[in-house]
Amino acid sequence: QVQLVQSGAEVKNPGSSVKVSCKASGGSFSNYVISWVRQAPGQGLEWMGKIIPTFGTINYGPKFQGRVTLTADESTNTGYMELRSLRSEDTALYYCARSKIRDMYTSSWVDLWGQGTLVTVSS
Amino acid sequence: SALTQPRSVSGSPGQSVTISCTGTTSYSGDNNYVSWHQQHPGKAPKLIIFDVSNRPSGVPDRFSGSKSGNTASLTISGLQAEDEADYYCCSYAEAYIVFGGGTKLTLL
Repeated sequence: QVQLVQSGAEVKNPGSSVKVSCKASGGSFSNYVISWVRQAPGQGLEWMGKIIPTFGTINYGPKFQGRVTLTADESTNTGYMELRSLRSEDTALYYCARSKIRDMYTSSWVDLWGQGTLVTVSS
Repeated sequence: SALTQPRSVSGSPGQSVTISCTGTTSYSGDNNYVSWHQQHPGKAPKLIIFDVSNRPSGVPDRFSGSKSGNTASLTISGLQAEDEADYYCCSYAEAYIVFGGGTKLTLL
């Protein structure tokens, strides 16, 4: 049974960066899309972006463009999300999520979620 | 484009409820690329419907999805206590994925 296992909770100062990892345990990233979704306390799900390692396609949500970088290492089946210039409003649970590839730009439905990584931004 | 859901719905055990999700028509036109995810407090979301009306293995047939025009709907029949949760629709028609704001289902 494939699981997405994310790195542990982080506490960061405003203005710093955070890098969260997501490893496919028991499976491969090949032919899959990895999305990153965040959820602020008491709020809904917010899509940040996705990466299709097979094609090298990366899309960022408009709100995060310029401040987030998604990467993937297919040799270790691990995806990474780096968010820079952190502010208090970035305090949230960050999820990675897996979808199958539909074509080189789009994905099918998210069928598997990671357990979430809590990032707290506070001075 | 944004997906609009009611903030909350409620129902009694055994009854049925329907949650709407408006804004599912994409720039490329009508499509069936809508999924629904259930989230219990403190837990990660879980897929319950994909491609408008398909259930993954293990999801009870009390959960059903449909779509008419620009609005997708999730219907839960025979409400049970464990159905109390937040529900999110999701459109994956385009390169940019969009989630609805979420609907809190409360059992009376």
